[in-house]
Amino acid sequence: EIVLTQSPATLSLSPGERATLSCRASQSVSSYLAWYQQRPGQPPRLVMYDTSNRATGIPARFSGSGSGTDFTLTITSLEPEDFALYYCQLHWTFGQGTKVEFK
Amino acid sequence: QLQLQASGPGLVKPSETLSLSCAVSGDSVSSNIYYWGWVRQPPGKGLEWIGSIYFSGSTYYNPSLKTRVSMSVDTSNNQFSLKLTSLTAADTAIYYCARHSAIRHTSGWTPLDFDSWGQGTQVTVSS
Repeated sequence: EIVLTQSPATLSLSPGERATLSCRASQSVSSYLAWYQQRPGQPPRLVMYDTSNRATGIPARFSGSGSGTDFTLTITSLEPEDFALYYCQLHWTFGQGTKVEFK
Repeated sequence: QLQLQASGPGLVKPSETLSLSCAVSGDSVSSNIYYWGWVRQPPGKGLEWIGSIYFSGSTYYNPSLKTRVSMSVDTSNNQFSLKLTSLTAADTAIYYCARHSAIRHTSGWTPLDFDSWGQGTQVTVSS
């Protein structure tokens, strides 16, 4: 069973700063990794699929990269609406989440 | 525009069976492209995939829940359903229904990304 470990658990940043979120798999995996954003009281929203493809309506400040066991979601310049929880997912498994909070 | 709407009882007693439905509009559960799944989120915790179903009736369930889960699809009413038996307080969560694609292989299929989610329905297990 593949385990996805996200780090850090919490990222404290200011608007305009760069956010780098990590998702590490317990073994080498395919590139089908996805990322979701969840705002309070809302369902998850697909942000990135197949490691580096932005979902419909996701702005260009979001990018994804990685291979093997290490994957990254980058937000180049945080907007107020980007402060939320982010989960990575591969097949049946979700990571435990990273919270991007206001510093 | 695709919409998924989960519905259910809200409050269920321990040891009882939970029954949830997800009504789909803007797409057909008979699609031969997409699959339909359930994901839950306990209060203050992360996401847990419960299981998924294809229009043909083919299912995959989370191994940790497999003995208590069953799913079905109702193509005439364009909805799919979840049953979870022998409930405990640990089953208290928001239950989301979602659509996803999958990789097909000779022995079955494996989920890919969940591209559309319903708003979720709160389920509390308490006497």
